[in-house]
Amino acid sequence: GAGVSQSPSNKVTEKGKDVELRCDPISGHTALYWYRQSLGQGLEFLIYFQGNSAPDKSGLPSDRFSAERTGGSVSTLTIQRTQQEDSAVYLCASSVQQGGGAFFGQGTRLTVV
Amino acid sequence: KNQVEQSPQSLIILEGKNCTLQCNYTVSPFSNLRWYKQDTGRGPVSLTIMTFSENTKSNGRYTATLDADTKQSSLHITASQLSDSASYICVVKEASASKLTFGTGTRLQVTL
Repeated sequence: GAGVSQSPSNKVTEKGKDVELRCDPISGHTALYWYRQSLGQGLEFLIYFQGNSAPDKSGLPSDRFSAERTGGSVSTLTIQRTQQEDSAVYLCASSVQQGGGAFFGQGTRLTVV
Repeated sequence: KNQVEQSPQSLIILEGKNCTLQCNYTVSPFSNLRWYKQDTGRGPVSLTIMTFSENTKSNGRYTATLDADTKQSSLHITASQLSDSASYICVVKEASASKLTFGTGTRLQVTL
C-alpha cells in the first residue's frame, strides 16, 4: 500500500484477554516504531525495529507487552492479559534508514473493559 | 541519551490568536527535525522539515524555526483556526544513526 496500515482500527477487549495489533509499514522502510497515546497524554515510545538488528525494547511498560517483526516487514504488537490501563491509541510509524521522516499509521484504538 | 522535550504539554487559545510551540532536543549529531500535526483520531502527518542549515521555514500559517546552536525549534501558528486543534509532535533525527527520537507532543485546542 501507499502508506502505513494498521489493523484493527478499533479493538474492544475484556480485561485479561490477549490482543494482537498489526502494522504494515511502507514497502522498503527498514525502521519501524510502536508508540502509544493514552487519553490526554503524549506519545509514549514502546519499541523500535531497524532492519535485522536487535529491537530496542526499552519502552515496553511490562512483560505483558511484546512485539515482533517478521521478514523485516509486518509487525505485530501483542499485549497479554490486558488491563484497563492498556487502553490507548497504539500508533505505528516507519521510515527509511537514512534521512527520511517517519510516516504514521492511523493507529489502533484499544479499549479494555 | 537522546531526548526531545516539547512545551507546553497542552494549550488553549482563542480563534484568530497566534501561538508558539517549543521543542528542545539533545540529539547529537543533528540531522533534521520535523514537526507533525495529528488531528484527533488520525495518524500524525508531516508539516515541515528543518535541516541544520535552515533557520526558518514556512508552510502557510505555520512557521518553524531552528536554532541548531541551542538545540531549539519552535512552531509558530498565525491567526489560528479551529482546524488547528490537534497534537503537534516534534521528531529529531540523529546524523549518525537511523533512529528517530520523538517528542511527546503539544495538544493545542483552538476555541471560539
